Amino acid sequence: GEDVEQSLFLSVREGDSSVINCTYTDSSSTYLYWYKQEPGAGLQLLTYIFSNMDMKQDQRLTVLLNKKDKHLSLRIADTQTGDSAIYFCAETFSGNTPLVFGKGTRLSVIA
Amino acid sequence: DADVTQTPRNRITKTGKRIMLECSQTKGHDRMYWYRQDPGLGLQLIYYSFDVKDINKGEISDGYSVSRQAQAKFSLSLESAIPNQTALYFCATSDAPGREGGGSNEQFFGPGTRLTVL
Repeated sequence: GEDVEQSLFLSVREGDSSVINCTYTDSSSTYLYWYKQEPGAGLQLLTYIFSNMDMKQDQRLTVLLNKKDKHLSLRIADTQTGDSAIYFCAETFSGNTPLVFGKGTRLSVIA
Repeated sequence: DADVTQTPRNRITKTGKRIMLECSQTKGHDRMYWYRQDPGLGLQLIYYSFDVKDINKGEISDGYSVSRQAQAKFSLSLESAIPNQTALYFCATSDAPGREGGGSNEQFFGPGTRLTVL
């Protein structure tokens, strides 16, 4: 079955770059997502990438997709304390199947 | 106003009680989902519905049931609550591909319901 794996914790210093990694098993995944969950809140979509792309940049966020290795990463440049949250990787084969989420990576930013 | 609302936000109940969690959305989306979140386990899909007449089991549907009363409403029931159903429950909505989100199937989440079963 489909599976999405992430490391559970990451700690970085304020101002440094954060890189959160994710691996997935379904080679037919069409959309891959990064969601952010702040304390006491639901998940919010940060960014997504189509499987026919290998990179997407949006301000401080850079998403890299390596389809061969089924590896997705999220880089946050100049990490701020407000970036402290849980980050979920998710994938879907098509728009007609529910998303499969990873277990989430808790990012802690040290001032 | 929030696009996806959940009631109640917090609930404490006892083993064996019947509980209903409600979700409403004003986004006009056809698709709705229920997830539970446990620390270190991420999000697990309980049930989902792609339209009013469609109900599908997710990966952990045992002990739960759902009702899609209208396009905007999707409720989750625990017929006889047990302590290992203590968790954070999220409702989410999405539109069909090709419409909002440019076909991204983005899901919009409610704020969550914290349920404790004693």
